[in-house]
Amino acid sequence: DTAVSQTPKYLVTQMGNDKSIKCEQNLGHDTMYWYKQDSKKFLKIMFSYNNKELIINETVPNRFSPKSPDKAHLNLHINSLELGDSAVYFCASRETATSIEAFFGQGTRLTVV
Amino acid sequence: AQSVSQHNHHVILSEAASLELGCNYSYGGTVNLFWYVQYPGQHLQLLLKYFSGDPLVKGIKGFEAEFIKSKFSFNLRKPSVQWSDTAEYFCAVHNYGQNFVFGPGTRLSVLP
Repeated sequence: DTAVSQTPKYLVTQMGNDKSIKCEQNLGHDTMYWYKQDSKKFLKIMFSYNNKELIINETVPNRFSPKSPDKAHLNLHINSLELGDSAVYFCASRETATSIEAFFGQGTRLTVV
Repeated sequence: AQSVSQHNHHVILSEAASLELGCNYSYGGTVNLFWYVQYPGQHLQLLLKYFSGDPLVKGIKGFEAEFIKSKFSFNLRKPSVQWSDTAEYFCAVHNYGQNFVFGPGTRLSVLP
């Protein structure tokens, strides 16, 4: 079983569209993250959720909105997509009490044309 | 705010050469330190981690790293690299109550 799974793996869409990326973890972790990896491989945190509460929101455009229906899911919704949103988006999860490392999903490669 | 720097953007080695990738962080408190590896087209995987005890930690695939607190460093080493080690390597820092902060990554290319 995949511990942290993201769908879709690839997403090609036109500018101005609205899209969502889903993330699910079956590890029972209480914290989930979204990272953006740009073309230079630089990883930047976008959001983290702990027990359904947004605890850090880096300075990302408000076109990006995380949605967590429950502890096992943290979806990323993006409105009015722009060319600069093209990147690989990684979901990750972590158990704050017992686990030090974060476990990453396989990534979603978003291409905006 | 804490930050992580990695000394090399791109390292090119021949097989069997020794590897050392530098990592420095800027945070004075207690930190947890990690090295993650990203093989081409794949997600990040944990190589090794340090959070207490012996500052020399051993990870998977023959990698090790040494935490030197006085230098705020956590350099990654491998005595003999293989072609399959070609990947992007990320150093990361986590301090309690904060998120993971990743370095900019070092691309390792191992020539057969």
